[in-house]
Amino acid sequence: QQPVQSPQAVILREGEDAVINCSSSKALYSVHWYRQKHGEAPVFLMILLKGGEQKGHDKISASFNEKKQQSSLYLTASQLSYSGTYFCGTQYNNNDMRFGAGTRLTVKP
Amino acid sequence: NAGVTQTPKFQVLKTGQSMTLQCAQDMNHEYMSWYRQDPGMGLRLIHYSVGAGITDQGEVPNGYNVSRSTTEDFPLRLLSAAPSQTSVYFCASSYQTGAYEQYFGPGTRLTVT
Repeated sequence: QQPVQSPQAVILREGEDAVINCSSSKALYSVHWYRQKHGEAPVFLMILLKGGEQKGHDKISASFNEKKQQSSLYLTASQLSYSGTYFCGTQYNNNDMRFGAGTRLTVKP
Repeated sequence: NAGVTQTPKFQVLKTGQSMTLQCAQDMNHEYMSWYRQDPGMGLRLIHYSVGAGITDQGEVPNGYNVSRSTTEDFPLRLLSAAPSQTSVYFCASSYQTGAYEQYFGPGTRLTVT
């Protein structure tokens, strides 16, 4: 089962904040966040593990609500370089990763 | 370190042809996987491997075969190409599964006519 991401798209001005959500109908082992720019490969941002451990990017934060099986990615003081499509990936066991359909973020000057 | 490499970058096939997409990593990662990406669909897992000699099916395995004879290489075989397999294919690797980031290759853009 693929996770559901929201919103599908968001447009920001530089310096504004954004939140991207990812929800699952099944119990999660971990949530991964990646950013992909047009024509490029996805690049790792953050991992959130069951139990609260986080690994990732200094300027991006995220939360993981284990009871609700939801994760949120927080982008603060957005920069032009934040533009791209953000994907959450969820693991229900140790091996099988499922990605959401993505959230397209556009940051304008 | 070259990271994760994929060949070819672009490929056009006719329906019914077979081919192998190559993937290699030089980071001594145990976990490797193949995804396909279609517009509006995100990344879908085709097959994965947790180590040499061990492979398993992902979400969309039909029409594809994999093998893992070495830690470094994880080729994806299209048995009889169909237009529905037109997509961008990404190979990825990570140290292990679950709690480790995946490194993606640059992708192969495949068109089946």
